[in-house]
Amino acid sequence: SQKIEQNSEALNIQEGKTATLTCNYTNYSPAYLQWYRQDPGRGPVFLLLIRENEKEKRKERLKVTFDTTLKQSLFHITASQPADSATYLCAPDNYGQNFVFGPGTRLSVLP
Amino acid sequence: DAGITQSPRHKVTETGTPVTLRCHQTENHRYMYWYRQDPGHGLRLIHYSYGVKDTDKGEVSDGYSVSRSKTEDFLLTLESATSSQTSVYFCAISVIGSPAGNLGYTFGSGTRLTVV
Repeated sequence: SQKIEQNSEALNIQEGKTATLTCNYTNYSPAYLQWYRQDPGRGPVFLLLIRENEKEKRKERLKVTFDTTLKQSLFHITASQPADSATYLCAPDNYGQNFVFGPGTRLSVLP
Repeated sequence: DAGITQSPRHKVTETGTPVTLRCHQTENHRYMYWYRQDPGHGLRLIHYSYGVKDTDKGEVSDGYSVSRSKTEDFLLTLESATSSQTSVYFCAISVIGSPAGNLGYTFGSGTRLTVV
């Protein structure tokens, strides 16, 4: 069965550093992968989508990579700020039907 | 969350009672989804709709039914609520189904349901 793992449940980094979050998937080959941000008590907010033929995608301080050989996506936040503290979810597509969400990584950026 | 509203925001109900959650959108999007979010499980798809009266089951559909009689409304019904259905329920909309282009899903603010 499909399995999606995100590197750790929680990640603490110092303000100004680059945060790197990992999303690994097994037993299928998604054509697309999305990343979302979720704040406590709120619904997830869409950040970026990357396609299987795109190795890298950037949006402001965010960068996403997609390695279909390793079955992995990396999500980077450069020059991190305390306001970046949130839970980040990856969501590979499910055989083109819909998106399946990973358990999330809770990022804390310490001032 | 602009364009999508969930009601109620909080609800406590007793085991065995029917419960209906409502999702309302003003975006005229074709696709609508119901997810539940639980610690240790993340977001799991319950049901989704790809048009009026067109719905399909998701990963955890047992004990739930849905209806979509209008583009803007997607209802989730727990026929006979159980304690295992205590969760946070999110509705989401998208312009098109997967793959969703560069727009992703837009989520509502969620309904926190407690079954006692």
